[in-house]
Order: sequence, then C-alpha cells, then structure tokens
Amino acid sequence: DTAVSQTPKYLVTQMGNDKSIKCEQNLGHDTMYWYKQDSKKFLKIMFSYNNKELIINETVPNRFSPKSPDKAHLNLHINSLELGDSAVYFCASSQFVLGTGTQYFGPGTRLTVL
Amino acid sequence: EDQVTQSPEALRLQEGESSSLNCSYTVSGLRGLFWYRQDPGKGPEFLFTLYSAGEEKEKERLKATLTKKESFLHITAPKPEDSATYLCAVHPNSGGSNYKLTFGKGTLLTVNP
Repeated sequence: DTAVSQTPKYLVTQMGNDKSIKCEQNLGHDTMYWYKQDSKKFLKIMFSYNNKELIINETVPNRFSPKSPDKAHLNLHINSLELGDSAVYFCASSQFVLGTGTQYFGPGTRLTVL
Repeated sequence: EDQVTQSPEALRLQEGESSSLNCSYTVSGLRGLFWYRQDPGKGPEFLFTLYSAGEEKEKERLKATLTKKESFLHITAPKPEDSATYLCAVHPNSGGSNYKLTFGKGTLLTVNP
C-alpha cells in the first residue's frame, strides 16, 4: 500500500514541451512538497502546500506551477521545458505537528529533456 | 542562511567495519534534525529525527547522535545491505521556514562483503 505515489516514474520529452507530474498521498497528511534532485544528488525544495494553500515558493522559474486540488494531491506542471530542467523530482508529505513533521517521500519522477 | 555539510562525500567499508558519518549544520535555531537513507532510483526513506543536543536514537545497526553543531550517524558492524546514500536535513526554527527542510549533499556509503 503505497504511501506517497508519483506518476509517471520516467518522463522523456523535447525542449519547449509542456508536461505534468502527479503526486498522491494516502497518509492523511495536510502538507505536501515538491523537491528537485539534480545530477549531483542535491535535494532542494521547490514548493510546499498546506491544506491546499501555497506556503513555500522557493526561487523557481515561473514556468513551474504547482497545483493542489485537495490535501491528498499535489501536481507539478512545467511549461516550455529546458535542458536544465532535467532532474529527478520528488513529492513528499508530512503531518505538520508543532513544526516538526517528518516528511515522507515518493519514488521520484526522472525527467529528461532532449 | 541555513547550511548543512555532510562528510565524507563517499565512504567505503568492509563488512563488519564500524564507522561514522558526520553532519555539520548552521541554523538560527533547530526544530529538528533528520536522517534519511536513499537507495539508487528511489526516494529518501526516513530513519531518525533528533530534536535536542544529547539526544540519541537507534535502529538496528544505526545510531544517530546530536550536538549543538553536528550530528553523527554511527554504523556498527555494517552489512552490504546498508549500502546507500545517507542524507541529513535540518528543520530550522525560524518563522519563514516552518515547513522547510534544508538537506546536505549526502554521504554515499558502500559496504563490501
């Protein structure tokens, strides 16, 4: 029974295309996140939603747009894909409790832009 | 700015050879420090959370400790299945970062049989 799931697992596309990645969690958490892990394996937060409200928006190009239709889902849409967007994107969720909620990660989506 | 530095970048051990991984951090205040394990092609898997200096937590062959400036992940008598990248992350105690973890670059551990 997968706790945090992402689709697709692999995404290969051409420069300039628009693509979406979907994330779902069945843990009952109220906070969800998108992280980017680059080729050097450095994991960096991009966005976070708490109860469908955007609470973290790091310095990310506005070609990236997160959307949270409900507490269990957080999608990431990327417009006009560039070579530098190639990375692994991880979704995560946490139950925010006094600011110390442990984050649980999905399996990742490997995006390759050609 | 919050910073997390992990060392060494890579560590190769023989099975049964105990060692430690280091995570040094600089934050304005610490809500919690997290250790994750990441296997190739998978998402980070939660291991431990430490909240205050002097705290220790154990799980099988792993033991995490915390001081005011750093955390150690001690691996006792490791086995090949302990091979993975170990990530450290801090949760700062500052108003704008209530939900934000800052990760280190990780230590790639390889345990040879």
